[in-house]
Amino acid sequence: DVKVTQSSRYLVKRTGEKVFLECVQDMDHENMFWYRQDPGLGLRLIYFSYDVKMKEKGDIPEGYSVSREKKERFSLILESASTNQTSMYLCASSEGGQSYGYTFGSGTRLTVV
Amino acid sequence: KNEVEQSPQNLTAQEGEFITINCSYSVGISALHWLQQHPGGGIVSLFMLSSGKKKHGRLIATINIQEKHSSLHITASHPRDSAVYICAVRFMNYGGSQGNLIFGKGTKLSVKP
Repeated sequence: DVKVTQSSRYLVKRTGEKVFLECVQDMDHENMFWYRQDPGLGLRLIYFSYDVKMKEKGDIPEGYSVSREKKERFSLILESASTNQTSMYLCASSEGGQSYGYTFGSGTRLTVV
Repeated sequence: KNEVEQSPQNLTAQEGEFITINCSYSVGISALHWLQQHPGGGIVSLFMLSSGKKKHGRLIATINIQEKHSSLHITASHPRDSAVYICAVRFMNYGGSQGNLIFGKGTKLSVKP
């Protein structure tokens, strides 16, 4: 069964900490995405990557960075966590081109205190 | 402007009822996705449509390209169908070959026994 795996289901971090959220897919997909999901706002794209070492800003990249050193792994980094980054974070992957579906991870619920 | 609107926002039904969730979008698309999210859970892709109709078990998804509208139907609803249903659209003029999705805010369905 194909999978997108997010390393943590729940995470609690302190303000100012550097936070790493990891996402791994086993489908050899070219595209990988990081979203955050907030009540009333739906899912919003933070960053995406269409190849190793390639990254593009999404709609809300401020306060985040990403890393894609290997095709299967896409990391989201919060350089200095703040309370307004408390959210559900979802990773997804898809093949290249417009005719393919997405596979989502189970999400990481991050609380910054 | 690329927009996705879902209705209703919340829906409560009795077990066995026929359910319809609607999704409207603003401009031309290359694909539309229906997604399901259970409380605290990740997102599961139900359907990807670019035309016509798809059926899987008790779920039916239709799309009318001319009217820029899609519906998700659930026949003989069951309490285990209780979830948030999300419409997501890949617009032709957004995201290039990576085909980034724009998400509706979701419809929260509760099916009572």
